[in-house]
Formats: sequence, structure tokens, C-alpha cells
Amino acid sequence: QVQLVESGGDVVQPGRSLRLSCVASGFTFSSYAIHWVRQAPGKGLEWVAVVSYDGNNKYFADSVKGRFTISRDNPKNTLYLLMNSLRPEDTAVYYCARVLVPAALSPACDIWGQGTTVTVSS
Amino acid sequence: QSVLTQPPSVSAAPGQKVTISCSGSSSNIGINYVSWYQQFPGTAPKLLIYDNDKRPSGIPDRFSGSKSGTSATLDITGLQTADEADYYCGTWDSRLTTGGVFGGGTKLTVV
Repeated sequence: QVQLVESGGDVVQPGRSLRLSCVASGFTFSSYAIHWVRQAPGKGLEWVAVVSYDGNNKYFADSVKGRFTISRDNPKNTLYLLMNSLRPEDTAVYYCARVLVPAALSPACDIWGQGTTVTVSS
Repeated sequence: QSVLTQPPSVSAAPGQKVTISCSGSSSNIGINYVSWYQQFPGTAPKLLIYDNDKRPSGIPDRFSGSKSGTSATLDITGLQTADEADYYCGTWDSRLTTGGVFGGGTKLTVV
């Protein structure tokens, strides 16, 4: 079935790096933009980043710009989020989410992963 | 502080109608489509409305969305206890620093 599965979440110290992965199945991964959205404990949704279907267009939230990188490997049906210089405020559940309309970048996402937890603490 | 403003909470009785508002600006809601999500504790969000007023397959017509100017609204009619959840609006923001934005979320209580 159509699904996204995230992995890579861990407990890391401030300043360290972590790479999250999101593996897609059941649809043509290379046709869809994919977002990363996070949710800190007890807080609301925060948009993090998006990459276009072909990987050529990438946008980031101001809170992560310059520290996080988004990339995709379409032959491997996999999306990545490389997080550098992690801060305690990056602690959250990270979701990858597929846009409903293939050509769009707007965060109207119909398929979400189950989330992976990142904890930044010394 | 979220770019999009939602009321923290709303409540209504079963069978009634509730309206959740989402206020933005000319750089986001004013020129881009709005989507709405429902989220239960410990689970991923679920898309309820996209392109301001469209429902994905499988979403009941009790859920409807609209947009006017720089604000959007989610209406839920025939409230059920199962609708008790958090609701979020989201859209694209076309300022100099472009990206997605969400509202702070609204907790719906069905009492």
C-alpha cells in the first residue's frame, strides 16, 4: 500500500548531527514533492522543509536554514533530512509527508509517515 | 508564535456545528491554497481539506472549508465525540523567505 516510513531518530547531544530517512512505497516517488514536518512535545505542527519531485527545488524554515539539508534519491525511493548543529529546540517527532497534488509544493499532504523521534539533550 | 492564527480551543455539543478560524496575511492565505488537518494524540495528522474547500476521498461531507481574503474557516457539522481532536490549518507563504506555514492548532472538545 501507499506509505512512508521514517527512521533515524535518536538521542543526540547539542551540536551533533543526525540523518533521518523516509522510505516510500506503493506510489511513484519521483513524481511527488515531499515535506518534513516536526512536532515538539505537547506543541503544534511546525513545517521544516520541502523538496520538489526532482530534487531541484528546496525550501527550509528559518529555524533550520543553514543547519538542515534535504535531499532525495529517487531510484531508492528515499528522502533524507540531514540535521547539523542540533539544538535542544530541535527535539520533536519528525514526519515526512507526501503532497496530494504531484506538481505542487504547498503543504497539502495526504500521506504521512508514522514519525521518528529526535531528542537533543546533553 | 505561529504565522497563521487559530483559536486555541473550541467546544460544542454532539450534533451541533463548530467553526474553526485560521487568520493569515496577504503573503500566505491571501494568495495561496489552504489545507486543514485533524490529529489525534500520538498519531500523524490526517488531511481533511485541501485547496481551500476540497475533500480528499473518504472524508465525510460533514467537514467543509472556505476562504475569504486572508482568512480561512473549517466547519464541522453533525459533531460526533469521535471528532474530538486537534485541528491545524496550513498553507504556503510567499514572502522573501518562502516556505510552508501552519497554524498553532485548535483543540476541539465535544461535550
